[in-house]
Amino acid sequence: SQQGEEDPQALSIQEGENATMNCSYKTSINNLQWYRQNSGRGLVHLILIRSNEREKHSGRLRVTLDTSKKSSSLLITASRAADTASYFCATAANFGNEKLTFGTGTRLTIIP
Amino acid sequence: DGGITQSPKYLFRKEGQNVTLSCEQNLNHDAMYWYRQDPGQGLRLIYYSQIVNDFQKGDIAEGYSVSREKKESFPLTVTSAQKNPTAFYLCASSIPGVTSYNSPLHFGNGTRLTVT
Repeated sequence: SQQGEEDPQALSIQEGENATMNCSYKTSINNLQWYRQNSGRGLVHLILIRSNEREKHSGRLRVTLDTSKKSSSLLITASRAADTASYFCATAANFGNEKLTFGTGTRLTIIP
Repeated sequence: DGGITQSPKYLFRKEGQNVTLSCEQNLNHDAMYWYRQDPGQGLRLIYYSQIVNDFQKGDIAEGYSVSREKKESFPLTVTSAQKNPTAFYLCASSIPGVTSYNSPLHFGNGTRLTVT
């Protein structure tokens, strides 16, 4: 079964608004990563947050992690048309990327 | 520029034929991975390799085979034994070792395989 589940499955917002997507997981993790995928392309790594971290920032991205609720959120501020993509969380219960489990993704559409 | 190249971008095959997908990287990464992506599903790991001449099965290895003769190359063969081969295939690489859990995956742009 999938370890990470993103919510919502799809999200449409106006350009300039903030976008928030969530990831829930079932078992304890070592770290959680967020990736972006443009249509028909490969995934691009956005940010990694470790289990002992609560919040991390990278440019317009803000990721939070609540290990007590087994959930993470990705916030994209001041969205742009170029942010239109699918966003995936990936969890690692133990060391090693071969242990990464990807969720089913949130499809984000930014309306110009 | 360093990166991962997958070829071809689109591949069409008849049922019963084996087909090989190419993956080449110039990032000098030791670890390489093959994932399968189906609509509405997350990525599923097919095979991975931490070092040349060594590879391990992932979660859905049945019907697939790989080789790792060179650090830069990790080709995937989809055999006729794979019951549902039509999918989007993604190759990735990363820095392995004791810190591998902290290293991000670098992906190629995928090969879309259609088998009829």
